[in-house]
Amino acid sequence: AQSVAQPEDQVNVAEGNPLTVKCTYSVSGNPYLFWYVQYPNRGLQFLLKYITGDNLVKGSYGFEAEFNKSQTSFHLKKPSALVSDSALYFCAVRDKGSQGNLIFGKGTKLSVKP
Amino acid sequence: DAGVIQSPRHEVTEMGQEVTLRCKPISGHNSLFWYRQTMMRGLELLIYFNNNVPIDDSGMPEDRFSAKMPNASFSTLKIQPSEPRDSAVYFCASTLSGIHTEAFFGQGTRLTVV
Repeated sequence: AQSVAQPEDQVNVAEGNPLTVKCTYSVSGNPYLFWYVQYPNRGLQFLLKYITGDNLVKGSYGFEAEFNKSQTSFHLKKPSALVSDSALYFCAVRDKGSQGNLIFGKGTKLSVKP
Repeated sequence: DAGVIQSPRHEVTEMGQEVTLRCKPISGHNSLFWYRQTMMRGLELLIYFNNNVPIDDSGMPEDRFSAKMPNASFSTLKIQPSEPRDSAVYFCASTLSGIHTEAFFGQGTRLTVV
C-alpha cells in the first residue's frame, strides 16, 4: 500500500534561517507526491507536487521540495523562513493511479520564531 | 471560481441528533473526497466519489455515517445518530481525476457533539 511518513511532529526554526520539513514515502510504481499547508482554522492549501522530471520542484510562497528516489524522500524546503510560514504541513501521495485518493502523512507543525 | 464551498462552517448539536454536512465542489471537477481531522487521528479519508459514484467508502467509521453525491455539484455527509466522538473538523476536497492533479480543499465544518 502507498504511504508517506513525516518523522517530525514539530520543527522549530528562527526567522531568516533555512527550513526543512521531512517526508519519506513508500509506493509501488511511480510516486506522485504533494505538499500541502494548513493555517489555523483553514482548509489545506496546495503548495507543490512532483510527478516526473526535475528532482527539485518549486511551489508557492517560496517553497521547494527535493525528490530523492534512492532515499525515497520528498523533503520540503525554504531558504529563508518567515514567521508567517508557521503552520501545519502535510505530505501526501496519490494512491492507485488516476482514480486514487490522496494519502496524507500525519503532519508536521512548523514554528518560526522572530 | 469560489473554490470548494462547505456549509455550515460550525455545527454544535446534541448527541443523538442527525447532522448533515454539505459540500459544493469546484465546477468541472469530477472527484470529491470527504476527510475528517482530529488531534488524535490526524487527517482520515472517509469516502471519495468519482463521477458521482462512490469509489471507496472503507474509511466511513460505521453505519451511522452516510454520504451521497446526487449530482456533480453537490455532496452531503450525514451522521445519524451523532455521538460526542464524532466531534472533529470535516473537510471536503475536489479534483479532476488524474495522477497529475492536486486536490482543492474547502474551509471545513467544525462539528461539536455535546
